[in-house]
Amino acid sequence: DTGVSQDPRHKITKRGQNVTFRCDPISEHNRLYWYRQTLGQGPEFLTYFQNEAQLEKSRLLSDRFSAERPKGSFSTLEIQRTEQGDSAMYLCASSLARDSRTEAFFGQGTRLTVV
Amino acid sequence: DAKTTQPPSMDCAEGRAANLPCNHSTISGNEYVYWYRQIHSQGPQYIIHGLKNNETNEMASLIITEDRKSSTLILPHATLRDTAVYYCIVRVGDTGRRALTFGSGTRLQVQP
Repeated sequence: DTGVSQDPRHKITKRGQNVTFRCDPISEHNRLYWYRQTLGQGPEFLTYFQNEAQLEKSRLLSDRFSAERPKGSFSTLEIQRTEQGDSAMYLCASSLARDSRTEAFFGQGTRLTVV
Repeated sequence: DAKTTQPPSMDCAEGRAANLPCNHSTISGNEYVYWYRQIHSQGPQYIIHGLKNNETNEMASLIITEDRKSSTLILPHATLRDTAVYYCIVRVGDTGRRALTFGSGTRLQVQP
């Protein structure tokens, strides 16, 4: 399958622990996005990479959150000192910039539960 | 990006056309209308997008009014698998940076 892959699909962690999620985008896509989605709401933008450069971060991305895309391929999202409010679905998307056809392809998401 | 307004929920009978409206009265001339859907427990899926002309693909048709202040997504023959939340998003086609801004969408329930 050549779609966007996220790992793990589900994560349960205790409050205060650190967690890391991985996203493997579609191989030729140079843009990668992270979103967060809570129950009943649409996805909210967190951060965006073009190749290995992190070009935009939302105000939602507190200093406990860090994202990397070291070689311009896969990306990781780390949450330090997790809080119950971090419980959400974390979605990764990728796209290839070419004129107006920049539709993003999303992964299945990682559902985080902080207990 | 321009703000969009969608009804929170709609029902449609299986096999009938589903017409999902979206208002975007503050849309700018260089902003596109995108539609995504999200089936339960999955990531959003791109459906279609357009600037001012009507568009059709294998999934749906997009009708944009002449003044571009509203649009309608049409699923010509809805099936149970089309039950999902549908998001209408307006954004500049490719600024090189801008991520998608999702609202609350329309929850479409296709009834057997």
